[in-house]
Amino acid sequence: AQTVTQSQPEMSVQEAETVTLSCTYDTSESNYYLFWYKQPPSRQMILVIRQEAYKQQNATENRFSVNFQKAAKSFSLKISDSQLGDTAMYFCAFITSGTYKYIFGTGTRLKVLA
Amino acid sequence: DGGITQSPKYLFRKEGQNVTLSCEQNLNHDAMYWYRQDPGQGLRLIYYSQIVNDFQKGDIAEGYSVSREKKESFPLTVTSAQKNPTAFYLCASTRFANTGELFFGEGSRLTVL
Repeated sequence: AQTVTQSQPEMSVQEAETVTLSCTYDTSESNYYLFWYKQPPSRQMILVIRQEAYKQQNATENRFSVNFQKAAKSFSLKISDSQLGDTAMYFCAFITSGTYKYIFGTGTRLKVLA
Repeated sequence: DGGITQSPKYLFRKEGQNVTLSCEQNLNHDAMYWYRQDPGQGLRLIYYSQIVNDFQKGDIAEGYSVSREKKESFPLTVTSAQKNPTAFYLCASTRFANTGELFFGEGSRLTVL
């Protein structure tokens, strides 16, 4: 079975500091896509960052970057210069190429402290 | 503006009643999804539809039903057979044959009284 594991239910970080959220996944497929989604207290889920498994280069979006370790099946999210607006639930997800079923982790609740 | 609209945002239901949650998108996406979100359990897939007039059961389809008569619309009915329907429901969509970003609605909170 394909699974996503987020082992940190809750985390906190001081404003302007850096925090890393961990995610591991399990699949026997070689071609897939990985995502981090953010769900702020307003509840609307938005995409933070996306990574294609065939790309070795780690994806980066402004203050957000990933550490993609394909062999270890690890996909952590690093948030640099944390801001109060980063306070949210973060979900890791992946989908195997050619399918329509996204697999989500249970989420990490991040709180940025002033 | 393009997006996904879910309604109602909050819904209260008495036990034994069926309720229908609306999901409409104007993104011209082929694939649409319904997820249920409970605390500590992440998102669990209820149903998904790749194309009009076709849909597949997800991991927790029991007690739910859907239809996909139009590309833009994917309503979810929570039936009285659903034993624990109180939850937050999210609708999402993505472009056909594109394993890219899921776009989400704002969600519907269903409470059974």
